[in-house]
Amino acid sequence: GNSVTQMEGPVTLSEEAFLTINCTYTATGYPSLFWYVQYPGEGLQLLLKATKADDKGSNKGFEATYRKETTSFHLEKGSVQVSDSAVYFCALTLGTSGSRLTFGEGTQLTVNP
Amino acid sequence: NAGVTQTPKFRILKIGQSMTLQCTQDMNHNYMYWYRQDPGMGLKLIYYSVGAGITDKGEVPNGYNVSRSTTEDFPLRLELAAPSQTSVYFCASSYGSGGGETQYFGPGTRLLVL
Repeated sequence: GNSVTQMEGPVTLSEEAFLTINCTYTATGYPSLFWYVQYPGEGLQLLLKATKADDKGSNKGFEATYRKETTSFHLEKGSVQVSDSAVYFCALTLGTSGSRLTFGEGTQLTVNP
Repeated sequence: NAGVTQTPKFRILKIGQSMTLQCTQDMNHNYMYWYRQDPGMGLKLIYYSVGAGITDKGEVPNGYNVSRSTTEDFPLRLELAAPSQTSVYFCASSYGSGGGETQYFGPGTRLLVL
């Protein structure tokens, strides 16, 4: 079956530190890959996505590259801010599954001033 | 444009009671979804719909029912509530079915079954 594995959290960083959250996937076929973010008390919102191998998604200083050879989609940001504190979810869909999202467990990020 | 709205925001149920979680979207999306999020876990798909009158089961459908009579609304029904259904429920919608579409989420309904 399809699955997504994220690095275990929580992650605590100081402001302006470099962020990496690892994500690997298993899928039968060619998935689209997503990072969703959940701020405290809110629903999920799309952070970035990539729909084919070697594509790079980017938004708000975050980046992730779709690596088919390593089945990975790691999230990175060069300099985090306190406002980036949230839970980050890696997810995938397959075209044959009606766009149903398969989520990773989520990674809690806390950024301290 | 309100996006995806959910009601209620929070509810406490007694074991064996029933309730309906409401979800409405105003983006004319054909796909709608219900997920549950348990503490420290990712979201699990309960049911989804590809259009009015068409629904299908997700990963964890037991104990729930859905209907989709209009494009806008996708209510989730809990019959005979159990403590295992304590969770946060999210409704989402998207347009298309190619697999790369963005899903738009509502703010969630927090349910506590005692």
